[in-house]
Amino acid sequence: DAGITQSPRYKITETGRQVTLMCHQTWSHSYMFWYRQDLGHGLRLIYYSAAADITDKGEVPDGYVVSRSKTENFPLTLESATRSQTSVYFCASSESLGMNTEAFFGQGTRLTVV
Amino acid sequence: QKEVEQNSGPLSVPEGAIASLNCTYSDRGSQSFFWYRQYSGKSPELIMSIYSNGDKEDGRFTAQLNKASQYVSLLIRDSQPSDSATYLCAVNEGNNRLAFGKGNQVVVIP
Repeated sequence: DAGITQSPRYKITETGRQVTLMCHQTWSHSYMFWYRQDLGHGLRLIYYSAAADITDKGEVPDGYVVSRSKTENFPLTLESATRSQTSVYFCASSESLGMNTEAFFGQGTRLTVV
Repeated sequence: QKEVEQNSGPLSVPEGAIASLNCTYSDRGSQSFFWYRQYSGKSPELIMSIYSNGDKEDGRFTAQLNKASQYVSLLIRDSQPSDSATYLCAVNEGNNRLAFGKGNQVVVIP
């Protein structure tokens, strides 16, 4: 299917476990992003990538790791999950087209850390 | 981190009325601005983008940008129950990164 897909859609994990959230896009967009969305905070950028093998921190990167070996995939790993990482995670992608930097979002992953 | 402020609380509007949403941003150099709509439990979807001062209309939606005053607004005319959602203002921070406001919930009352 064309578009941007995230997996899993829902995940419950225990404190201290490693969790990987997957993101796959079929548009060959250069840019990919991971956001988390929490009540009272809105969408906050965790990490982003401008191209394969190029990643950079966003506003709230602590406790997360990303990689981007292929243009279409941008997995997000929580190295040792904490309750404060309970959130809804959105992956997004975009292309650089002058000022039009519209981001397209995946369906989201609801992660609960118990 | 550039700031994007959406300070209004939930907005209730009667069906057919105009809903008005405002957003201010801190970086005077920002060039691209977006309004996203997010239904409960769903992902954000783009409804409007604006890059130049003035108004931009798309159907029942009008975005207004004033770079001198550093605000961008969204008007929803003839509001429908299907417009009930949270509206997110976003500003391009550079490198295609978007900074989002916390959002405004709109409830259209039939």
